[in-house]
Order: sequence, then C-alpha cells, then structure tokens
Amino acid sequence: DAGVIQSPRHEVTEMGQEVTLRCKPISGHDYLFWYRQTMMRGLELLIYFNNNVPIDDSGMPEDRFSAKMPNASFSTLKIQPSEPRDSAVYFCASSFSAGNEQFFGPGTRLTVL
Amino acid sequence: KQEVTQIPAALSVPEGENLVLNCSFTDSAIYNLQWFRQDPGKGLTSLLLIQSSQREQTSGRLNASLDKSSGRSTLYIAASQPGDSATYLCAVNTGANSKLTFGKGITLSVRP
Repeated sequence: DAGVIQSPRHEVTEMGQEVTLRCKPISGHDYLFWYRQTMMRGLELLIYFNNNVPIDDSGMPEDRFSAKMPNASFSTLKIQPSEPRDSAVYFCASSFSAGNEQFFGPGTRLTVL
Repeated sequence: KQEVTQIPAALSVPEGENLVLNCSFTDSAIYNLQWFRQDPGKGLTSLLLIQSSQREQTSGRLNASLDKSSGRSTLYIAASQPGDSATYLCAVNTGANSKLTFGKGITLSVRP
C-alpha cells in the first residue's frame, strides 16, 4: 500500500485566497483525520470522519475551515478565505477502526502571505 | 480535558547510550497510547501502540511501557544510533473515539 497520500506537499498563497488540501487514506481504513501542526500549539485534531461521515469537528478553528469526504478514498480540507495565521503543516491520517493505530501522510506545508 | 506533557523538549546523547523518553498525561482513563517518530519536514511514523490493558510493547530496540494509574508512559531506546535522531511524540486516546491528544514531543539528537 502507498500509505496516506496528501497533495500538494507545499502551498504558498496570499491572504484572502481559497486553499484546498487533499488526502487519500489507506485503502480499507474507515477513519480519516485532519490535524494541524504549529510550533506554538503542536499537533491539534481539526476534524475526523468515520465511513465518510464527519463525527467531530470541534477542533475546526473557524467557519473559514471546512472539510468533506465525498467517498472512502478522498477528502478535502478547505480554507476560505485564508489568513497568515493559518500557516502551518496540515496532516491527514487514517486508521482501520476506532481506537486503532493511526497512519499519517507526509503533510502539506501551507504558507499564507 | 486531557493534557499530555513530554519533558525535556530536547535531549542530546552519545551514540550507544540507552535512553528513556517520558510522557505524562492528566486523565488516566485512556483507551490506548501511541508513540510516533517525526523526522524534520516529514510526517509521523507510528512506532508503538499500547492498549490500556497492556503494560508494555516492544519492537526491535524500542520498548514502550504504560502505567495508567500514575499517568505515565516511557519509551526506552536501547543502544541508540545517530539514525534515531528525530522528534518523538506521545499521543493519548481518551475513550474509543479515536481522538488523539498529542504531547509537544522530545527532539532527540544522538551524537556519533
């Protein structure tokens, strides 16, 4: 298996622009997670899905953030409009079932100017 | 609210030394605990997962222990090598809902 795949790996954009991050989980995994990592706050869970359904989005910082999972093999995290404080590394992870080992993608480094 | 602490934030040791990385958590009612490794500019690699009913897990030179009652876990690395240099993160799953709470990590440097 190729593991969790994320794209793009790097994104540089200007404040106010829309940003879309993409994730393909490991085939057969029912859970998908979006995390954000910053120096100040470390790794934080933003939202997670079970069988394509959002279960907990309490970590999503603002309405500017939205996430979708239209099918079992694809998810997006969208920021609209983006702000400089959104600059961080965004990780996607997946797991086979509840409470199981989570496998992380390589991350997307987002810079908002 | 679960809080996970890893101290110290950084550690430098000579090659060959056995070392212990510490992780503490405030809510002992955990479902499991996972140790990850993160290389600079890379994603997280899962090292070990310990279920709440387990006391320890081993993989090669790595051994992770769990003491729920005291809210602690340790990652033991035997005969450290320069290739072990990375940031090691501890993450706690409180409940079976898969929500992980992460520590800030310990950045390990193993000197040749």
